[in-house]
Amino acid sequence: GNSVTQMEGPVTLSEEAFLTINCTYTATGYPSLFWYVQYPGEGLQLLLKATKADDKGSNKGFEATYRKETTSFHLEKGSVQVSDSAVYFCALKAGGTSYGKLTFGQGTILTVHP
Amino acid sequence: ETGVTQSPTHLIKTRGQQVTLRCSSQSGHNTVSWYQQALGQGPQFIFQYYREEENGRGNFPPRFSGLQFPNYSSELNVNALELDDSALYLCASSPPGQDYEQYFGPGTRLTVT
Repeated sequence: GNSVTQMEGPVTLSEEAFLTINCTYTATGYPSLFWYVQYPGEGLQLLLKATKADDKGSNKGFEATYRKETTSFHLEKGSVQVSDSAVYFCALKAGGTSYGKLTFGQGTILTVHP
Repeated sequence: ETGVTQSPTHLIKTRGQQVTLRCSSQSGHNTVSWYQQALGQGPQFIFQYYREEENGRGNFPPRFSGLQFPNYSSELNVNALELDDSALYLCASSPPGQDYEQYFGPGTRLTVT
């Protein structure tokens, strides 16, 4: 079946540090890949997406590249801010399905200190 | 533009009871998906509704059921509540033709005692 594995957290960084959150996946066909962010007390927000191999999704300084050869979609940001503290979820939608089921990883808690 | 809204925010029920959770989709969106998020876990897909019919279901028993109304709002019903049903229930809506692009509401926190 389809699955998403994220690096174990939590991740604690100082402001302006470089961020990487690893995500690998298992899926049939050619999935679409997503990163969602969940701030405390809020629902999930779509951060970025990539729908085919070698696509790079980017938003708010975050970026991730769809690597089919390594089945990965790692999230990066060059300089994190305190306001980036949240839970980050990697997700996929399997290719060829007739409905939009998203399969999520377990989430990575990011805490950024001033 | 109003986003996805859910009600109630919090709910406490007793084992064996039934519960109904409600979701209003974002304006212009015609597809609604429901997810269960246990504490410290990623969301798990329950089902999706399109044109008032269920068109996809995850690994949840039949006591989880839903409805979608002509205005695209939706309900999630859970019968015979169990302690393990305690979770955050998330609703997401999608624009026409883009069911992979899901916009989530803040969720309903259900506690079963």
